[in-house]
Amino acid sequence: AQKVTQAQTEISVVEKEDVTLDCVYETRDTTYYLFWYKQPPSGELVFLIRRNSFDEQNEISGRYSWNFQKSTSSFNFTITASQVVDSAVYFCALSEPLFIGTASKLTFGTGTRLQVTL
Amino acid sequence: DVKVTQSSRYLVKRTGEKVFLECVQDMDHENMFWYRQDPGLGLRLIYFSYDVKMKEKGDIPEGYSVSREKKERFSLILESASTNQTSMYLCASSFGQAGQPQHFGDGTRLSIL
Repeated sequence: AQKVTQAQTEISVVEKEDVTLDCVYETRDTTYYLFWYKQPPSGELVFLIRRNSFDEQNEISGRYSWNFQKSTSSFNFTITASQVVDSAVYFCALSEPLFIGTASKLTFGTGTRLQVTL
Repeated sequence: DVKVTQSSRYLVKRTGEKVFLECVQDMDHENMFWYRQDPGLGLRLIYFSYDVKMKEKGDIPEGYSVSREKKERFSLILESASTNQTSMYLCASSFGQAGQPQHFGDGTRLSIL
């Protein structure tokens, strides 16, 4: 069975600090997809990034960067120069095909709550 | 932008009532999903649908049913609401290709008294 572990339940940082959110996954599939979502206090989950298992290139988008390492089954997320608006719960998720129609199932980690203060 | 709209942000119902949660997406997505989110448990899949009138059970379907009569609309039904169904409910949709991201609505916080 697939599993996603986000060991950090809650992280508090001061604005402008860098912060890394850890994600470790388990799967027997050779083809899979990894995702990060952000859930601000308003409640909606916002899609941030998708990575497939064949692409280990790290990705940077503004202050956000992602480090995917198949050797350690990790897909970590770093926010550089954090801001108060980054305060949210962040979820890592792993996609597995359901072999029913074209649907895939997302297995979510339990989330990391990031609190950025002034 | 993808828009997934859930009919209510907050809902309060009584034990034993039949409850309907509605979800509409505007991106012609094939797949639609219902999750519930509880503290410490993350998101858990209740039901999903990969086509009109097609539905499949997720991990925790007991006490729930769904309906998808039109491609853009996916309804979650609590047949006889119970207090342990108090939760945040999230609807999502996605295209049919492998690895497509799911796009979520704002969520419905449901309280069963």
